[in-house]
Amino acid sequence: GNSVTQMEGPVTLSEEAFLTINCTYTATGYPSLFWYVQYPGEGLQLLLKATKADDKGSNKGFEATYRKETTSFHLEKGSVQVSDSAVYFCALSVPGAGSYQLTFGKGTKLSVIP
Amino acid sequence: DAGVTQSPTHLIKTRGQQVTLRCSPKSGHDTVSWYQQALGQGPQFIFQYYEEEERQRGNFPDRFSGHQFPNYSSELNVNALLLGDSALYLCASSRDINSPLHFGNGTRLTVT
Repeated sequence: GNSVTQMEGPVTLSEEAFLTINCTYTATGYPSLFWYVQYPGEGLQLLLKATKADDKGSNKGFEATYRKETTSFHLEKGSVQVSDSAVYFCALSVPGAGSYQLTFGKGTKLSVIP
Repeated sequence: DAGVTQSPTHLIKTRGQQVTLRCSPKSGHDTVSWYQQALGQGPQFIFQYYEEEERQRGNFPDRFSGHQFPNYSSELNVNALLLGDSALYLCASSRDINSPLHFGNGTRLTVT
């Protein structure tokens, strides 16, 4: 079956530190990959996505590259801010299921301290 | 332009009761999906509705059912509630199969 594994949290960083959140996946077919962010008390927001190997998704200073050979989609940001504190979810969707059926990882909580 | 709206925001029910959660999709969206997010876990796909029909279903029992109305809004019904049904229930809508999902803020269901 399909699954997503994320690094365990919580992750605590100082402002302006470098962020990496690891994500690996197992999927039948050739999935599309996503990062979603959930701020306290809110629903999920799409942060970035990639639909084929070597694609790089980017948004708000965050980046992730679709690595087929290592089945990974690690999230990175060069300099985090306090406002980046949230829970980050890696997710995939499989061919044929469209964008509607996402398989999520368990989430990684990020806390950024001033 | 309103996004995905869900009601109620919080709900407390007793074991064995039935519950109905509601969702209005973002304007211009015709497809609605429901997800269950247990505490400390990622969301899990329940089902998806398009053209008033259930199109896809995740690994959830028949106690979970839904409906989509002609105006694209949707309901999630859960019968015979169990303590394990306590979770945040998220509704998501999309314009089409190639567009990203837009999530609502969820309904927090507590079963006692």
